Amino acid sequence: TQLLEQSPQFLSIQEGENLTVYCNSSSVFSSLQWYRQEPGEGPVLLVTVVTGGEVKKLKRLTFQFGDARKDSSLHITAAQPGDTGLYLCAGTNFGNEKLTFGTGTRLTIIP
Amino acid sequence: DTAVSQTPKYLVTQMGNDKSIKCEQNLGHDTMYWYKQDSKKFLKIMFSYNNKELIINETVPNRFSPKSPDKAHLNLHINSLELGDSAVYFCASSRRLAGGADTQYFGPGTRLTVL
Repeated sequence: TQLLEQSPQFLSIQEGENLTVYCNSSSVFSSLQWYRQEPGEGPVLLVTVVTGGEVKKLKRLTFQFGDARKDSSLHITAAQPGDTGLYLCAGTNFGNEKLTFGTGTRLTIIP
Repeated sequence: DTAVSQTPKYLVTQMGNDKSIKCEQNLGHDTMYWYKQDSKKFLKIMFSYNNKELIINETVPNRFSPKSPDKAHLNLHINSLELGDSAVYFCASSRRLAGGADTQYFGPGTRLTVL
C-alpha cells in the first residue's frame, strides 16, 4: 500500500505569513496533484506536476515535485484568509489508474 | 450549472437499513468514481467506472454495490448499513481514465450517518 504522509497535519498562522506544506512517500509516483477542500464541498484541483524537479506557480502558491518523484511541497506566500481549507496531495503510479490521497493538512489563516 | 451533483446531501439512517446515493455529471466525462472520506478527512477510492464498465474495485465490503446505468450516472447502493459506514461519500468524474493524472471533478459529497 502506498502512503502519502502530509505535514503538518494542522497549521494555523496569521494573515500575511508564509507557509510550506509537505507531502512525502517512500514510493515513486508518475504524477502528483494538489487539491483544496473547503467545508461542505468536494476537493478542487489546484495543480498537477508530472516531471521530477518540476516547479509550478499559481499566483501566491508554489508547487514543487521532488527530483525523485517521491515527495512534493506547497508553499504559500503572504497567506490570506481565503487560503483556509484542507489541502490534499494525491499521487498516481505508472500503470495504476487510481489516485492515492495524502493524509491532509488543515490550514487556518487568522485575519 | 453543477458539474457533478450528488443526492442526497445528508443521509441519516438506522443500522441494518439499505440506502442509495445518486451521482450525475454533465461534463461528458467517460470515467466516474466513488470515494469515502472518514472522520479524519482521509479520502480513499472505492470504485471507478469507465464507460459504464467497472475498472477499480478497492477492498470494499460487498454490501456496497455501484451501478452505472449510463456514462453520466454512477449510483452507490449500500446494504445492511453499519456504524462504520458513517462518512462523507464523494462522487467524482474525469474526462478519461489516464493514470489518475487527469483532472477529477468532485461532487459536493453525501454525509451518511448511521445510528
